Amino acid sequence: AQSVAQPEDQVNVAEGNPLTVKCTYSVSGNPYLFWYVQYPNRGLQFLLKYITGDNLVKGSYGFEAEFNKSQTSFHLKKPSALVSDSALYFCAVRDRRNFNKFYFGSGTKLNVKP
Amino acid sequence: DGGITQSPKYLFRKEGQNVTLSCEQNLNHDAMYWYRQDPGQGLRLIYYSQIVNDFQKGDIAEGYSVSREKKESFPLTVTSAQKNPTAFYLCATDAGTAFNSPLHFGNGTRLTVT
Repeated sequence: AQSVAQPEDQVNVAEGNPLTVKCTYSVSGNPYLFWYVQYPNRGLQFLLKYITGDNLVKGSYGFEAEFNKSQTSFHLKKPSALVSDSALYFCAVRDRRNFNKFYFGSGTKLNVKP
Repeated sequence: DGGITQSPKYLFRKEGQNVTLSCEQNLNHDAMYWYRQDPGQGLRLIYYSQIVNDFQKGDIAEGYSVSREKKESFPLTVTSAQKNPTAFYLCATDAGTAFNSPLHFGNGTRLTVT
């Protein structure tokens, strides 16, 4: 079965420090992985997606994600956090057997303190 | 801005009443989805539709119904049979061109049933 796990409910970081939001996945074959961000009472916004062959993927708002096949991880990173990055972050994987099925992690709340 | 419009933003209903949530898109995307979001549970798929006049149940379809009479519109009805309808409902679309194409989300409808 395809699945995604976000082991941390919450991540706290000081403004200007690097941030990491963790995601591990369980899929068969090449994964189709995505990161989304959600601000309060808003929909999810697409940040970035894994592209086969690229271990470091760059996305919107200075975010990037590091793909590690041996550890089955796709961690979201940013070199220098902003207070405005505080939001809920979701990792997702698309089911290879059912094109219309996405599996979402439970979300990680990122708090960036000034 | 163009994209996906969900209305209303907030909806309050009494228990036992059916209620319909609107989702309209101008992205010309074929596939449309309804997700339910509860705190700490990520997103769960209610229904999806790949083309007009066709739709499929997702993981939690009981107590919900949908229609897809036009490409642009995918309304969701929350019936009185849904035991715990209070939640944040998100509509999404997909260009459907490739496995690594992301979902696009509306800004959601928060439904409160008392």
